[in-house]
Amino acid sequence: QSVLTQPPSVSGAPGQRVTISCTGSGSNTGAGYNVHWYQQLPGRAPQLLIYGNSNRPSGVPDRFSGSKSGTSASLSITGLQAEDEADYYCQSYDSSLGGSVFGGGTKLIVL
Amino acid sequence: EVQLLESGGGLVQRGGSLRLSCAASGFTFSGDAMSWVRQAPGKGLEWVSSISSSGGSTYYADSVKGRFIISRDNSDNTLYLQMNGLRAEDTAVYFCAKYPGAVALFNWFDHWGQGTLVTVSS
Repeated sequence: QSVLTQPPSVSGAPGQRVTISCTGSGSNTGAGYNVHWYQQLPGRAPQLLIYGNSNRPSGVPDRFSGSKSGTSASLSITGLQAEDEADYYCQSYDSSLGGSVFGGGTKLIVL
Repeated sequence: EVQLLESGGGLVQRGGSLRLSCAASGFTFSGDAMSWVRQAPGKGLEWVSSISSSGGSTYYADSVKGRFIISRDNSDNTLYLQMNGLRAEDTAVYFCAKYPGAVALFNWFDHWGQGTLVTVSS
């Protein structure tokens, strides 16, 4: 099991809004460490999507947004598009493990 | 443009060794911490190791501690991962990734390489 828990899959129709959750514990997200999100298209390397809980790097559409409260974080995607179909991962730091931790990943299916 | 190009992957027998390299360009390599992240076939991402910008501080996941060594050559803009005592469970694509500054661990990975496949045969 991954230290950060994500749903294995989510789905939505084009134009809809989907949310992906990322739940940690008191040694990572609950301790105040930031959450970051990555998008991995099929056969490609991961790409940074959200950093510092809610910040978008330049070039990332504002359809993507992030938030964090307590031990949980979430990634929201509005105006779903076919090209958003990918795997999404959250990442944080864990003080008990002394290193970075990832969620297990969520496969977004665009219906 | 930031570029990270991994090399050195391949097929190795259980118990063997391999050294991965990551050639960096397009940014001030000596100013940014670096990391290795791996992905087993069909699985999720797993952080492996990180190194500070100077190379003076290194960090490892428990799964590789004592077997893998991360290092960097700031004069040659290259990151390395020496992998010893390889196990079947080390089979994965290994990505080189950079942090947005000198500090490792707490931050995000703002650029990733395309990865190099390591296969450990039993």
